[in-house]
Amino acid sequence: EAGVAQSPRYKIIEKRQSVAFWCNPISGHATLYWYQQILGQGPKLLIQFQNNGVVDDSQLPKDRFSAERLKGVDSTLKIQPAKLEDSAVYLCASSFRASGANVLTFGAGSRLTVL
Amino acid sequence: RKEVEQDPGPFNVPEGATVAFNCTYSNSASQSFFWYRQDCRKEPKLLMSVYSSGNEDGRFTAQLNRASQYISLLIRDSKLSDSATYLCVVIPNDYKLSFGAGTTVTVRA
Repeated sequence: EAGVAQSPRYKIIEKRQSVAFWCNPISGHATLYWYQQILGQGPKLLIQFQNNGVVDDSQLPKDRFSAERLKGVDSTLKIQPAKLEDSAVYLCASSFRASGANVLTFGAGSRLTVL
Repeated sequence: RKEVEQDPGPFNVPEGATVAFNCTYSNSASQSFFWYRQDCRKEPKLLMSVYSSGNEDGRFTAQLNRASQYISLLIRDSKLSDSATYLCVVIPNDYKLSFGAGTTVTVRA
């Protein structure tokens, strides 16, 4: 089966600019996650979708970050305006369902550098 | 206290050695546990689930100690290809996954 697709793989922007990342999960996976991974740290959940509804966005900095999954399939994560501390890899993951024992499959990530 | 804590390492071991490390968690109601492997500049990939009775997958053994609230991973007969960061994942009963910061293992020839 095709994996989780993400684009772009790399993005360099200046602070206060905006950026958007796209993710297409594995076909049939109802749950989609966006994680932020700063160098040397574990992935931190930004937002979790179940189909097109938000399950958890408690750690999403809503003043600058937004995400949507309008048709319950692919998703976009936007940062506007970007700050230096947003430099990180943004990982999208999907799972068949949101149950606790479910396994996540990650995409290759989008590496953001904010100058 | 962090939800999930790992010794960052690095653990530098020669080929053929055994290496083991733990991951502690703070929520005693945690239900599911996993080890993920992350190669340098790559995405995390599932290595193995951790069952209450402990489980083994080839050279890898995972254990759960509920009383002391930690899980462990042991790698026997280390290979160069085992060099990676190992992330522990803990899922409490509200299904909010928590990742540890990872333990880095470097296997040298």
